[in-house]
Amino acid sequence: EAGVTQSPTHLIKTRGQQVTLRCSPISGHTSVYWYQQALGLGLQFLLWYDEGEERNRGNFPPRFSGRQFPNYSSELNVNALELEDSALYLCASSLGGTPLVYEQYFGPGTRLTVT
Amino acid sequence: DAKTTQPPSMDCAEGRAANLPCNHSTISGNEYVYWYRQIHSQGPQYIIHGLKNNETNEMASLIITEDRKSSTLILPHATLRDTAVYYCIVRTTDSWGKFQFGAGTQVVVTP
Repeated sequence: EAGVTQSPTHLIKTRGQQVTLRCSPISGHTSVYWYQQALGLGLQFLLWYDEGEERNRGNFPPRFSGRQFPNYSSELNVNALELEDSALYLCASSLGGTPLVYEQYFGPGTRLTVT
Repeated sequence: DAKTTQPPSMDCAEGRAANLPCNHSTISGNEYVYWYRQIHSQGPQYIIHGLKNNETNEMASLIITEDRKSSTLILPHATLRDTAVYYCIVRTTDSWGKFQFGAGTQVVVTP
């Protein structure tokens, strides 16, 4: 069974630019989560999508946005990039709905460097 | 949200059991304890989870105290590939899937 995939693996952008990161969940999973892991910091929750809708978002400015497509893949968009946006961006997927107990399976991440 | 406390680092000899503690004294009755690990520069990997009973799978065992205020993850025979940051997470009830990852425990397995 294929795991969560993300693209690209590495990306270098300059300040002020916009970036789009992509994630494909495990087959059968309808929920997709996005996390940011800056160097030396823990994972910070960004966004949660389920069945095409945004269910929750973390404490990030509106220039971080995303969407989920009918095939449950997802995009994370970051506008007006700032230097502190440099981080590993991780996508995870899980079975959807609102069960109390389910695991999140993570992809390998996209390393974004903003110069 | 229930908060977890873990030691920042731990060393373990290869082949020995690694016992990773986690305190979650404010855990509520319907919150689960999850363990994930993150090997350097990779995405986190699910290990195990539990509510009140001890759990075991092919990777590890999870021991939860009777009052649920703490738990221990046991890697029965640590290998060099188990070197990673281990996160103990309490599943929040209002998070709709949002995990809160703390700083974790850096485990280094030595030959």
